[in-house]
Amino acid sequence: EAGVAQSPRYKIIEKRQSVAFWCNPISGHATLYWYQQILGQGPKLLIQFQNNGVVDDSQLPKDRFSAERLKGVDSTLKIQPAKLEDSAVYLCASSSSAGTGKNTGELFFGEGSRLTVL
Amino acid sequence: GNSVTQMEGPVTLSEEAFLTINCTYTATGYPSLFWYVQYPGEGLQLLLKATKADDKGSNKGFEATYRKETTSFHLEKGSVQVSDSAVYFCALAGNNRKLIWGLGTSLAVNP
Repeated sequence: EAGVAQSPRYKIIEKRQSVAFWCNPISGHATLYWYQQILGQGPKLLIQFQNNGVVDDSQLPKDRFSAERLKGVDSTLKIQPAKLEDSAVYLCASSSSAGTGKNTGELFFGEGSRLTVL
Repeated sequence: GNSVTQMEGPVTLSEEAFLTINCTYTATGYPSLFWYVQYPGEGLQLLLKATKADDKGSNKGFEATYRKETTSFHLEKGSVQVSDSAVYFCALAGNNRKLIWGLGTSLAVNP
């Protein structure tokens, strides 16, 4: 079974530029998550999709971050304009059980996209 | 609200040493508890989980027991290997199924 695919693996940009990350979840997984992981910290949930609807985007800085999940499969996360503090690894994860009432919390993660903002 | 506290790293051990990484939690209701591991250059992956009190999760020689009386879920391994070098995250999922993460504990195992 193919895992969660993310691209690009690495991206270096200057502040105020824009960047986009792409994620393809495991086939059939209805729930997709974007996390931000700053060095030395735990993952921070940015946005959670159930199919193509947003379940939780309470921690997404909406003035500069946006995300979409068209057709309930692939997703893109965009940052525009980027700030120095956006340097982090952006993790995409998917799961099949959210919304079913089953409290498993088992997420499958991609390898992440490391962003460096200069 | 829900929270997870895990011991700070880095933890450095010699091969075949005993490992304990402490994790305690605060939660309402009956959360599920998890340990995720992140090997160098890789994404996070589930190591083990426990969904109710007194459950023991185990995988790859690692174990953790859900202790409701002490609100703990400590990770243990009897004999670590160099290949266990990674960052370990404790996490909980509450009634809203939202994952709450600890800050992670870096483990380095020397040959």
